[in-house]
Amino acid sequence: DSGVTQTPKHLITATGQRVTLRCSPRSGDLSVYWYQQSLDQGLQFLIQYYNGEERAKGNILERFSAQQFPDLHSELNLSSLELGDSALYFCASSVDGATNEKLFFGSGTQLSVL
Amino acid sequence: ILNVEQSPQSLHVQEGDSTNFTCSFPSSNFYALHWYRWETAKSPEALFVMTLNGDEKKKGRISATLNTKEGYSYLYIKGSQPEDSATYLCALPLTSGTYKYIFGTGTRLKVLA
Repeated sequence: DSGVTQTPKHLITATGQRVTLRCSPRSGDLSVYWYQQSLDQGLQFLIQYYNGEERAKGNILERFSAQQFPDLHSELNLSSLELGDSALYFCASSVDGATNEKLFFGSGTQLSVL
Repeated sequence: ILNVEQSPQSLHVQEGDSTNFTCSFPSSNFYALHWYRWETAKSPEALFVMTLNGDEKKKGRISATLNTKEGYSYLYIKGSQPEDSATYLCALPLTSGTYKYIFGTGTRLKVLA
């Protein structure tokens, strides 16, 4: 158990809908990262937060947004969903985001858009 | 854009065999390299973080080396066991101070009993 909690584990929804994925980092970790894993693709970096502030952004679509709350949990909002958004979404955390820190991953949310 | 390449894409070995695979990256602007193991139906788990040229790390039967000047890292597994079956990912931060870890597509290892 990595100590990173993601909910829900599975999500099935329809095109055009909006969903929210939730992540609670390990106790004491200030940095949260979101990754997308699609079929035949590697882990794609979406966005990173540190202590409530956005730190870095990857190829995150404009339909997607995220935030980190004062209690350090993070939510990834996906709107106007398309079939191509179906993927496994991972959250990871680290203490303060230094490059020599290991990332601890949650178990992921499997999103299926029908 | 940082390009992280891993080879081979997949590998089948017999139990007891030793094996190794490669992570290649641009040698300029190196800060750190991470290795992760990703077992099916689980989440990626960190194995090593390597920061210095010539670094060697070991965890049980798994070890890794790093050559930042030529831009590669090797992961070795000695005496492979079925429980070593997993995808092995390497990742590098894009630049120091940012946290866009770029992951390779991984090497899928299957150890046959």
